[in-house]
Amino acid sequence: NAGVTQTPKFRILKIGQSMTLQCTQDMNHNYMYWYRQDPGMGLKLIYYSVGAGITDKGEVPNGYNVSRSTTEDFPLRLELAAPSQTSVYFCASSYLGRPNQPQHFGDGTRLSIL
Amino acid sequence: GENVEQHPSTLSVQEGDSAVIKCTYSDSASNYFPWYKQELGKRPQLIIDIRSNVGEKKDQRIAVTLNKTAKHFSLHITETQPEDSAVYFCAASMISGGSNYKLTFGKGTLLTVNP
Repeated sequence: NAGVTQTPKFRILKIGQSMTLQCTQDMNHNYMYWYRQDPGMGLKLIYYSVGAGITDKGEVPNGYNVSRSTTEDFPLRLELAAPSQTSVYFCASSYLGRPNQPQHFGDGTRLSIL
Repeated sequence: GENVEQHPSTLSVQEGDSAVIKCTYSDSASNYFPWYKQELGKRPQLIIDIRSNVGEKKDQRIAVTLNKTAKHFSLHITETQPEDSAVYFCAASMISGGSNYKLTFGKGTLLTVNP
């Protein structure tokens, strides 16, 4: 299993540009998450999904959109990039249905908006 | 919503000493408390977790304790080694009937183990 795979690993955007951060998992996990991690801060939840076709907002959803058309994929869309969205973005997944199932993280996407 | 406070923000110890990181949470309904280790430039990785029906859990040099009454939990690392140097995050979540498994993270503790 590859686990959780995120692409790209690095990206520089200009203000106002849009892009999609890709996330895919091959563990058949039903739950998927997007977090952002700012320097010196913990991870803040942007959006999450409990299964294909179902998404919900986390703590900091403004400026982002998500979709979940398949169990495997959970892309994160930035429509109008702003400097405040410069951050490291982590995708994670977990399987709920058995107790103590941890969240598995991808390697992250480092995004700079200039 | 849930709020998780983590202390200290930085911790420096000598190799072989113990390290303790403490977290408090606000929502008494939270019942799952994982700890993640994040090495520089890497992904967070789960190192230990505890559920609210247990007061302590150990895994080799790592232990976590939970005080539900006081709403705080702690990570204990004994016989620290240089490879323990990393940022450690605590988190809290409520798991209930398969719904809403959302983690709230603390801000992290940078642990440095000096040889």
